[in-house]
Amino acid sequence: SQKIEQNSEALNIQEGKTATLTCNYTNYSPAYLQWYRQDPGRGPVFLLLIRENEKEKRKERLKVTFDTTLKQSLFHITASQPADSATYLCALRAGNNRKLIWGLGTSLAVNP
Amino acid sequence: DTAVSQTPKYLVTQMGNDKSIKCEQNLGHDTMYWYKQDSKKFLKIMFSYNNKELIINETVPNRFSPKSPDKAHLNLHINSLELGDSAVYFCASSHMTGVGYEQYFGPGTRLTVT
Repeated sequence: SQKIEQNSEALNIQEGKTATLTCNYTNYSPAYLQWYRQDPGRGPVFLLLIRENEKEKRKERLKVTFDTTLKQSLFHITASQPADSATYLCALRAGNNRKLIWGLGTSLAVNP
Repeated sequence: DTAVSQTPKYLVTQMGNDKSIKCEQNLGHDTMYWYKQDSKKFLKIMFSYNNKELIINETVPNRFSPKSPDKAHLNLHINSLELGDSAVYFCASSHMTGVGYEQYFGPGTRLTVT
């Protein structure tokens, strides 16, 4: 069956370190993969999108990689801050499919 | 400026009642969505409209009926509410012609059925 998996366990890191979150998928050939941030009691907020023919994308302290051979995307936050604490969701769109398929998200806690 | 807004933010009601949730976006997007996020935090697409046309209709009980009067508004009406309908409902919007359909979400409506 088709599915997306993210680290199910919460990730705790020290302020200033790099956080790395994983998104693995099976039985998809996604055209695009997206990362969102969700804070408690709020809707997801779009962060970054990466295309199937891109290896890496950066935005300020954020970096996303996309390995279609491994069927995996990695999301990095460098120089992490307590304000980065949130749940991070990955979502993918396969081909011309009009809907996004979502992972369950990984909870990140950055400790001061 | 609010991009995607939903009303109400909280909705507490009894089983069997009928309720509606409203959504409006001022981003000029042509596509709107309804999602349900359950207690396990899984985001499940329910419906999507593009320029008032229903384009995604997932396996959802027919007690749920979306309605899009124009491309800036998408409402969700729920009949005969059940305990299992308790969840957070998110409205979202995007450009259908956008590169990856990146979506912009409203603040959510927390529905509690007692």
